[in-house]
Amino acid sequence: QSVLTQPPSASGTPGQRVTISCSGSSSNIGKTYVYWYQQLPGTAPKLLIYRNNQRPSGVPDRFSGSKSGTSASLAISGLRSEDEADYYCAAWDDSLRGRIFGTGTKVTVL
Amino acid sequence: QVQLQESGPGLVKPSGTLSLNCAVFGVSISSSKWWSWVRQPPEKGLEWVGDIYESGSTNYNPSLKSRVAISVDKSRNQLSLNLTFVTAADTAVYYCSRGDSSGYPSDWGQGTLVTVSS
Repeated sequence: QSVLTQPPSASGTPGQRVTISCSGSSSNIGKTYVYWYQQLPGTAPKLLIYRNNQRPSGVPDRFSGSKSGTSASLAISGLRSEDEADYYCAAWDDSLRGRIFGTGTKVTVL
Repeated sequence: QVQLQESGPGLVKPSGTLSLNCAVFGVSISSSKWWSWVRQPPEKGLEWVGDIYESGSTNYNPSLKSRVAISVDKSRNQLSLNLTFVTAADTAVYYCSRGDSSGYPSDWGQGTLVTVSS
């Protein structure tokens, strides 16, 4: 059902910068905030970015979010082994009248 | 700091009703405007189930709307989920969460696995 498309995987070596895209439409990303969640293996998701580019307290500034038009991106700079996780974007969709999550991206640290 | 704890049967028979509770610790459930449920089928992505606003109004995933109900019990400081006529496709880890001012999950429970099987 998801209409937020993410690449299935992304990878990088320690210290590198990795960017994850989230592609939507005018009924979701184009008119509302984007949120990002990190899900470490075997754990519950954790809020990583809210309202496009805001970090909750405790989230390192290595994580940053941006939005342009109907797409959004999450960047992880200075990649660390503990960043290996699944990452999901989320937004409200006016056409579906509900919240939607992206398809998810698995980040691997090589 | 808020803590959320889901509870309920781990196994539900097909065509039965899935009922889960989420106990809220550390804050009054009335202190937050939004509460929601999210589920995750095994080895799959996150799926929003629905949420409830402080007024009692609800939003549900359109694909589940005819079968789902979310409610808040202020006296017990807990959130509840009922999903009727379940099938194997409803097998998932179910998470309860507290929403931020825009309703998006900000604090999550640890999740509980519900399997639909005879």
